[in-house]
Amino acid sequence: GQNIDQPTEMTATEGAIVQINCTYQTSGFNGLFWYQQHAGEAPTFLSYNVLDGLEEKGRFSSFLSRSKGYSYLLLKELQMKDSASYLCAALVFSGGYNKLIFGAGTRLAVHP
Amino acid sequence: DGGITQSPKYLFRKEGQNVTLSCEQNLNHDAMYWYRQDPGQGLRLIYYSQIVNDFQKGDIAEGYSVSREKKESFPLTVTSAQKNPTAFYLCASLKQYTGELFFGEGSRLTVL
Repeated sequence: GQNIDQPTEMTATEGAIVQINCTYQTSGFNGLFWYQQHAGEAPTFLSYNVLDGLEEKGRFSSFLSRSKGYSYLLLKELQMKDSASYLCAALVFSGGYNKLIFGAGTRLAVHP
Repeated sequence: DGGITQSPKYLFRKEGQNVTLSCEQNLNHDAMYWYRQDPGQGLRLIYYSQIVNDFQKGDIAEGYSVSREKKESFPLTVTSAQKNPTAFYLCASLKQYTGELFFGEGSRLTVL
C-alpha cells in the first residue's frame, strides 16, 4: 500500500527554525511535494524534490532521501504568518496514471 | 490569468439529495483530480482523470461520480449513497512534467 507519515502538530517560536519530517512508503515514486495550507483555504505549492538532496527557496528548504523514504521541510526565520498546516505529498505513477498521495499534514503553531 | 474555478464555494444539502460541484480550469492541463478534506485531516483522493472521457477511482470513490466530457471541466456529483458527505472538496489539475498540482479554492459542503 501507499503510506505517508508526518507529525500531527508542532510549535515553534517566532524567528526560530523548525524542521518538519515526512516518511513515505510508496510504489512508483516520482517525487515529493510540500504544500502549505492555511485554515479554510486551498493548499499552495512550496517545493518539489525528485532527486536526493536539498532544495533551497528563500526561507524554506526541502530535503529528500529516496533510499530512506524520507523528506523534511525546513523553515527559517519563522514568522507568525507561517502558522499553517504543512502537507507532505508523494507523486506516484501507477497503472499509467500520475497521482499525488497526501499525508495527514502537520499543524505548525508559531508563537511570539 | 489561468487557474481553476470551483463553484459553489459553500453548499448546503438535505439528506437524500444529490449535489454537483463544478470545477473548470483554463490551464490546458490534461490531468484533473478531486480530493476530500475533513477537519484536521489531510487530502484523500476521490477520483482522477488523465484525459477526456477517462477517469479512475481514487481511495474513497464510493458515493461519488464524475464525468470528463471536456478537457476544461471535471464536475463531481456527491450522491445520496455517500454516507458522510459533509467536508471540504478540492479540485486540482496537474502540470505535466513538473507534477505540480494547482488547486481551486474549494467547495464546502454541509449536509443538514
